[in-house]
Amino acid sequence: AQSVAQPEDQVNVAEGNPLTVKCTYSVSGNPYLFWYVQYPNRGLQFLLKYITGDNLVKGSYGFEAEFNKSQTSFHLKKPSALVSDSALYFCAVRDYNNAGNMLTFGGGTRLMVKP
Amino acid sequence: NAGVTQTPKFRVLKTGQSMTLLCAQDMNHEYMYWYRQDPGMGLRLIHYSVGEGTTAKGEVPDGYNVSRLKKQNFLLGLESAAPSQTSVYFCVTAVGGANVLTFGAGSRLTVL
Repeated sequence: AQSVAQPEDQVNVAEGNPLTVKCTYSVSGNPYLFWYVQYPNRGLQFLLKYITGDNLVKGSYGFEAEFNKSQTSFHLKKPSALVSDSALYFCAVRDYNNAGNMLTFGGGTRLMVKP
Repeated sequence: NAGVTQTPKFRVLKTGQSMTLLCAQDMNHEYMYWYRQDPGMGLRLIHYSVGEGTTAKGEVPDGYNVSRLKKQNFLLGLESAAPSQTSVYFCVTAVGGANVLTFGAGSRLTVL
């Protein structure tokens, strides 16, 4: 079985400050990890993924995420938040051995960046 | 190039009515999924397909059926709608492998 947890329903940061959105996962094998962003009344958009290799993954819009196997975490980070980053963020996981390539999503974290 | 197109975008049903959501993709993706999104619960997989003529159950399949007669289309049917099926439904496609998902714009369904 595979699962993912996003412990924070909402994260508030001031514009220009660094932001972190937390994600922890559970899989029986090796994980494929993803971050997606959702703007109002839209489908989700891909931000970044970890498959293998360097634990620090860089993605779209200046976001990055660090894979930590010992802590089973994949936190999303950005050095300097923008008001336009305000959105709903989803972490997702897939077990490498998952035959249907099915992703399991976390409950989402709403990021609010204030001017 | 339209990507993933869902119809209808909005629908209101009465309890017990039936309906079909249509998903069409023009990217030649093998994998197609139907997810539902509910507040605080993230996205939950209803059914999926790994290729034309194949379907499989996801996490929450009860009350839904699907068909994939053509590679580009994935239909989600509600046989007898219930208020618990009020949700936003997303059709999602993927090439496969270490997949990046492509989402449709969503279909908002309300069951009274």
